[in-house]
Amino acid sequence: AQKITQTQPGMFVQEKEAVTLDCTYDTSDPSYGLFWYKQPSSGEMIFLIYQGSYDQQNATEGRYSLNFQKARKSANLVISASQLGDSAMYFCAMREGLGNFNKFYFGSGTKLNVKP
Amino acid sequence: AAGVIQSPRHLIKEKRETATLKCYPIPRHDTVYWYQQGPGQDPQFLISFYEKMQSDKGSIPDRFSAQQFSDYHSELNMSSLELGDSALYFCASSLPGQGAKNIQYFGAGTRLSVL
Repeated sequence: AQKITQTQPGMFVQEKEAVTLDCTYDTSDPSYGLFWYKQPSSGEMIFLIYQGSYDQQNATEGRYSLNFQKARKSANLVISASQLGDSAMYFCAMREGLGNFNKFYFGSGTKLNVKP
Repeated sequence: AAGVIQSPRHLIKEKRETATLKCYPIPRHDTVYWYQQGPGQDPQFLISFYEKMQSDKGSIPDRFSAQQFSDYHSELNMSSLELGDSALYFCASSLPGQGAKNIQYFGAGTRLSVL
């Protein structure tokens, strides 16, 4: 079974509007971390935001926030006030357990296009 | 701030040749991960090293090997290259002792093209 599912292959958003990128996950481990990365066309993977399974509050980092719904096993990324530079591929990832070197599972990504 | 450095950024090889990819983690990061991202695909975990020892192994072909050296840099060696090995290869590193919040910081990747 897929550990991370991103159901939106591509999305468009108008500049300055907010957009939500969906991510659902599957794990039986009570301890896990959820991450979002941005991959511009240049290829590098840029860390955006992290949410821990025990965190009581939704994570926020500037214009990025994570809508964490544990019972639904979803961790949607919300980008507020979209900018042209936000156009990129966005990956949701998960690591299970508390080990120092646990690998990431990635979703298939969502390609976001911000229109002027 | 120093980031993960990968070299080379681009590599073109012929079938059946060998390739060596290098990764220099962020200073004080003791764990290194390698991922392979095929065209239009999500990154797939290959292998990781913690304190110079292999810590986990994913879908890495037997033709590939990797190691982490005493200065924590890592090398991914790929032999008998096939067309299907053409991909973007990422290295990531992380700090020790972060528990679940073990953020992996990625390098810019090495784009390997096998002709």
